Amino acid sequence: EVQLVESGGGLVQPGGSLGLSCAASGFTFSRYWMTWVRQAPGKGLEWVATIKQDGSGKYYVDSVKGRFTISRDNAKSSLYLQMNSLRAGDTAVYYCATVAAASTWDYWGQGTLVTVSS
Amino acid sequence: QSALTQPPSASGSPGQSVTISCTGTSSDVGGYNYVSWYQQHPGKAPKLMISEVNKRPSGVPDRFSGSKSGNTASLTVSGLQAEDEADYYCSSYAGSNSDVFGTGTKVTVL
Repeated sequence: EVQLVESGGGLVQPGGSLGLSCAASGFTFSRYWMTWVRQAPGKGLEWVATIKQDGSGKYYVDSVKGRFTISRDNAKSSLYLQMNSLRAGDTAVYYCATVAAASTWDYWGQGTLVTVSS
Repeated sequence: QSALTQPPSASGSPGQSVTISCTGTSSDVGGYNYVSWYQQHPGKAPKLMISEVNKRPSGVPDRFSGSKSGNTASLTVSGLQAEDEADYYCSSYAGSNSDVFGTGTKVTVL
């Protein structure tokens, strides 16, 4: 059974940093592109970042470029999102998801909440 | 990277059909056959319902169907059931390894 479990969310002050993790199991992690998607409270979904199988390609939504870094460790079947210079607008539930095809995410984690507030 | 446009709400009685539109541009919806639809119940993760415009993943009822014409994609739910009440989001590939979601539609089963 495919499982994606996010962790690392919490409360952080504006301008601060936070690192999220996504532990994958039940499939060959190294074969899949992976994505982070976020959802602000009461709002819609927003694509955040995607990474290729071997980490050689990383792609970001404009609003997080230069502040967020997506990475992975295939030996640990884990996906990461390092978030720096956090803003109130980054407050959201962050989901990791497997990429089946372009704009197609077939397995999702349960999400982890990041709150940016003083 | 502007969000795709969906109607905020849609509704129908049990057994009826409801269709949700998803309007983008020639740079996303109109330019690629990579439009997906996701169902999200409150407090839950999104669930893939339709991929590549009109493909249904295993386990998704055939009451769900997708289509596309020009810059607008559509999701139709036929034979509405109570459990179909949820938020629905479209997404599209937008080129250069980027993706964009729709604004979301809340479907109510009357």
